Amino acid sequence: QQQVKQSPQSLIVQKGGISIINCAYENTAFDYFPWYQQFPGKGPALLIAIRPDVSEKKEGRFTISFNKSAKQFSLHIMDSQPGDSATYFCAAGAGNNRKLIWGLGTSLAVNP
Amino acid sequence: GAGVSQSPSNKVTEKGKDVELRCDPISGHTALYWYRQSLGQGLEFLIYFQGNSAPDKSGLPSDRFSAERTGGSVSTLTIQRTQQEDSAVYLCASSLAYNQPQHFGDGTRLSIL
Repeated sequence: QQQVKQSPQSLIVQKGGISIINCAYENTAFDYFPWYQQFPGKGPALLIAIRPDVSEKKEGRFTISFNKSAKQFSLHIMDSQPGDSATYFCAAGAGNNRKLIWGLGTSLAVNP
Repeated sequence: GAGVSQSPSNKVTEKGKDVELRCDPISGHTALYWYRQSLGQGLEFLIYFQGNSAPDKSGLPSDRFSAERTGGSVSTLTIQRTQQEDSAVYLCASSLAYNQPQHFGDGTRLSIL
């Protein structure tokens, strides 16, 4: 059972466009929602994270939108650049160890 | 550098052999996590260490998998009698505390022949 469902599986965006990746979760105990970026051969790197008491968080070109009632959250990448081409993972954590439950990832390609 | 260091970066071994994977967390980080990343499967939680507390082993897939963390720093993940389905990238992450961001190493790519 996939507790965190991520879509789309892959995404192609033109340079300067907006990339949008969506995630949905089931467990209402989740209270921490990070997004990670991963390049080939590298470990995931934290991009931005949100907690459920906030509906939106922005850091530079990256924005998380969070809808608690719908149990959904999304990543928006504004002014997408070729250097943003990577795999993006959403995750969710809870409890006193914050072990993360991960989505299956979205492969983003930004065309020049 | 000051990041999470994992070794070896690649490991190829024959089915049935035992393997040990090492993780050096960021200095001062009390929490340490192991995850497994299989192709097309995302990341799967394996085990969590926090200070001197008993580890959360709830993600270990079988009793062939074990891990320890010596002196609250370096951790070793051991897989006994490896099987082909154990082939994956094994990732280690550390954080200042359980409620702080997790920082990942670049993983060990394990291939079982």
